[in-house]
Amino acid sequence: DIQMTQSPSSLSASVGDRVTITCRASQSISSYLNWYQQKPGKAPKLLIYAAYSLQSGVPSRFSGSGSGTDFTLTISSLQPEDFATYYCQQSYSTPLFGPGTKVDIK
Amino acid sequence: QLQLQESGPGLVKPSETLSLTCTVSGGSISSSSYHWGWIRQPPGKGLEWIGSIYYSGSTSYNPSLKSRVTMSVDTSKNQFSLKLSSVTAADTAVYYCARRLQASGGAFDFWGQGTLVTVSS
Repeated sequence: DIQMTQSPSSLSASVGDRVTITCRASQSISSYLNWYQQKPGKAPKLLIYAAYSLQSGVPSRFSGSGSGTDFTLTISSLQPEDFATYYCQQSYSTPLFGPGTKVDIK
Repeated sequence: QLQLQESGPGLVKPSETLSLTCTVSGGSISSSSYHWGWIRQPPGKGLEWIGSIYYSGSTSYNPSLKSRVTMSVDTSKNQFSLKLSSVTAADTAVYYCARRLQASGGAFDFWGQGTLVTVSS
């Protein structure tokens, strides 16, 4: 079975910071990797699909990269509304979400 | 704009069957471009995919839940449903329904608001 890990599990950052979150699969998943943002009490929101494609309506400060086993989500300049938990999800096989990365205010 | 809305009991007794329905509006559940899925999130924890269904009725389930899960679709009502049998307290979670893209990385691009189901006597 494919396992997903994310690092860090949490981070503290300031508005304007560049933030990078890493997601790693235990075996190659090609580009079948998606990223979501979830705020407390809300449903997850799709940010990036197929590793690097920006979902319609998502600000361009969000970007995704990677293929195979290693992927990153980058927020180029953190905004107040970006404080949330971020999940990766592989769909190469049975859909599986990573454990999440919580981004909070420094 | 596509909308998904979960409905069903918020409280289920242990050993009984959890039943939820997702009503899709603003689009057709019969599109060949999508699957329809259920994802859950225990309080304070991460996301777990439960299963997905195609408008034809074809299903795929999380192996860890497969023995207890049944999903169905009613295209005439633009709805799909989840049944989870023999529930325990570990099944307490917010349950989300979502649309899953057939292509584009198989991402879940539209979600319902979620419904909290508590398993307790």
